[in-house]
Amino acid sequence: DVQMTQSPSNLAASPGESVSINCKASKSISKYLAWYQQKPGKANKLLIYSGSTLQSGTPSRFSGSGSGTDFTLTIRNLEPEDFGLYYCQQHNEYPYTFGAGTKLELK
Amino acid sequence: QVQLQQSGAELTKPGSSVKISCKASGYTFTSYDISWIKQRPGQALEWIGAINPGSGGTGYNEKFKGKATLTVDKSSSTAFMQLSSLTPEDTAVYYCARLRYYNYFDYWGQGVMVTVSS
Repeated sequence: DVQMTQSPSNLAASPGESVSINCKASKSISKYLAWYQQKPGKANKLLIYSGSTLQSGTPSRFSGSGSGTDFTLTIRNLEPEDFGLYYCQQHNEYPYTFGAGTKLELK
Repeated sequence: QVQLQQSGAELTKPGSSVKISCKASGYTFTSYDISWIKQRPGQALEWIGAINPGSGGTGYNEKFKGKATLTVDKSSSTAFMQLSSLTPEDTAVYYCARLRYYNYFDYWGQGVMVTVSS
């Protein structure tokens, strides 16, 4: 199985700041990486797929980059609603695997 | 709008089975596979498997073969997952999610907490 290593595990930031979350695959997954946001009481939300394609409705302050084994989710000008958990998922091969998550907290 | 409405929390005993549901609305149920995903506290999400509602065809993560059985009822646009021979390690939140062609999940249910305890 492809192992997905996400870093950092925890991240504290203030509204208006920019942050980056990294995801590293144990083997090449081409461009096939998705990012999700998880918040209590809400359904998980797809933000980005295929490395850099924004899902419809995802604000433009979110961006994804990378290919092969190394990927980054960047959030610019953090808004209060951006705080929560973020997960990466490789969608290149069976079985689909996820990173352990990054908790983005308010500083 | 697309919605996946999951059934309520379950409290079950070791050795028993549980069947949870996921009712889809807002789209043509048979046009997209439904996947199931497990989340234990503090652990990474795990993909369990997927089912094609049109054909009933399934694909499972090897880790969950024999543990999970996926089915659908097209008449009610509902997907089901049965978990068998439950142990405390099956205690988790289980999500259903709509699987897109390139194997990412664009809509998720709210999750079902399954607790296995004697």
